[in-house]
Amino acid sequence: EAGVTQFPSHSVIEKGQTVTLRCDPISGHDNLYWYRRVMGKEIKFLLHFVKESKQDESGMPNNRFLAERTGGTYSTLKVQPAELEDSGVYFCASSQVWDSYNEQFFGPGTRLTVL
Amino acid sequence: ILNVEQSPQSLHVQEGDSTNFTCSFPSSNFYALHWYRWETAKSPEALFVMTLNGDEKKKGRISATLNTKEGYSYLYIKGSQPEDSATYLCASLNSGGSNYKLTFGKGTLLTVNP
Repeated sequence: EAGVTQFPSHSVIEKGQTVTLRCDPISGHDNLYWYRRVMGKEIKFLLHFVKESKQDESGMPNNRFLAERTGGTYSTLKVQPAELEDSGVYFCASSQVWDSYNEQFFGPGTRLTVL
Repeated sequence: ILNVEQSPQSLHVQEGDSTNFTCSFPSSNFYALHWYRWETAKSPEALFVMTLNGDEKKKGRISATLNTKEGYSYLYIKGSQPEDSATYLCASLNSGGSNYKLTFGKGTLLTVNP
């Protein structure tokens, strides 16, 4: 069974540009999560989809970030316009169920560098 | 705001040494404690999910314990090998209203020297 995949693995852009990150969850997983790790800090929750609906987007930093999951399969996270502080590793994870156990499977992340 | 703390921040050990790390987490509205092993540029790999006070789990040379009353978990590695070198992350799952969120610590970076 394929794991969670993310594209691209790396992205280097200039401040003010737009970048779109993609996540393909494990097939059949209704729950999809985005996280971010800024260098030297902890991995932080951004948002959670259940199928195509946003269950919780309380971790999204500001309105420059837009996440979508049309059709309830893959998801995209767009940053527009990118700022220097957006640099970090963006992880996607998926889970089959969403409960108090909540085992999540992570992708390898997209390393975003904003110059 | 939930805080999950891990110590030490980094650790260097010799091959064959046994080692352990600590994760402290909020005990209120607690549901589960997750341990992950993460090598840079790879996917964080789930090691354990523990929910009950006193839980002990083992996977090969790695084991973990959980104390939900005082809010801490220990991860033990017996006979460390160079391939154990990675960042070990813990994450607490606590309820916030109707949502379950994973809150991560900063991780412990383990380097095992041959």
